Amino acid sequence: QVQLVQSGAEVKKPGASVKVSCKASGYTFSNHYINWVRLATGQGLEWMGWMYSKSGNTGYAQKFQGRVTMTRDTSINTAYMELSSLTSEDTAVYYCARVPLGVERYYFDYWGQGTLVTVSS
Amino acid sequence: QSALTQPASVSGSPGQSITISCTGTSSDVGTYNYVSWYQQHPGKAPKVMIYDVSNRPSGVSNRFSGSKSGNTASLTISGLQAEDEADYYCSSHSTTTTLVFGGGTKLTVL
Repeated sequence: QVQLVQSGAEVKKPGASVKVSCKASGYTFSNHYINWVRLATGQGLEWMGWMYSKSGNTGYAQKFQGRVTMTRDTSINTAYMELSSLTSEDTAVYYCARVPLGVERYYFDYWGQGTLVTVSS
Repeated sequence: QSALTQPASVSGSPGQSITISCTGTSSDVGTYNYVSWYQQHPGKAPKVMIYDVSNRPSGVSNRFSGSKSGNTASLTISGLQAEDEADYYCSSHSTTTTLVFGGGTKLTVL
């Protein structure tokens, strides 16, 4: 069965960086796009960007341009999201999510369990 | 990119029907039939309930339906059940960004 398993909770100081992993299983990793979405307390879901697992090509939301980097290691079927220059406003649960196969697909059929990132001095 | 506009909360009694609206612009909801709806229970990952405006993934109850008119999409839940109590988010493809979400709607089953 398809699974996306994310790394554990992180606590970071302002100005630091965090790198969250998302290990895929149960499907051909390189065939799908992986997106990252976050949910801050009291806020709604926020789309951060996409990565095509085969090529490593990426596209980021304007808000995160210059601060987010999405990468992957196809040898271990794992995607990564690194966010730098953290502030308290980056405290949120971060999710990876898979895009189903097909042309013009703009939704997510499988999600990771979420990783809580807390930014605090 | 502004978020799509959803009501903060809706409520209904078991067995009733409710509708959640999702208002965008001609740059997103009004132009593309790529509106999706997600259900999220506290502490859980979101789950897609509707994609491409009105399509239901396999395994999702037919009590959930989606539609669109102009710049506004809607999610209707019929025969409300206690388990439907959750947060609901719409999303849409956009000309200015790949994807934009709504602010979310808290559904309370009375």
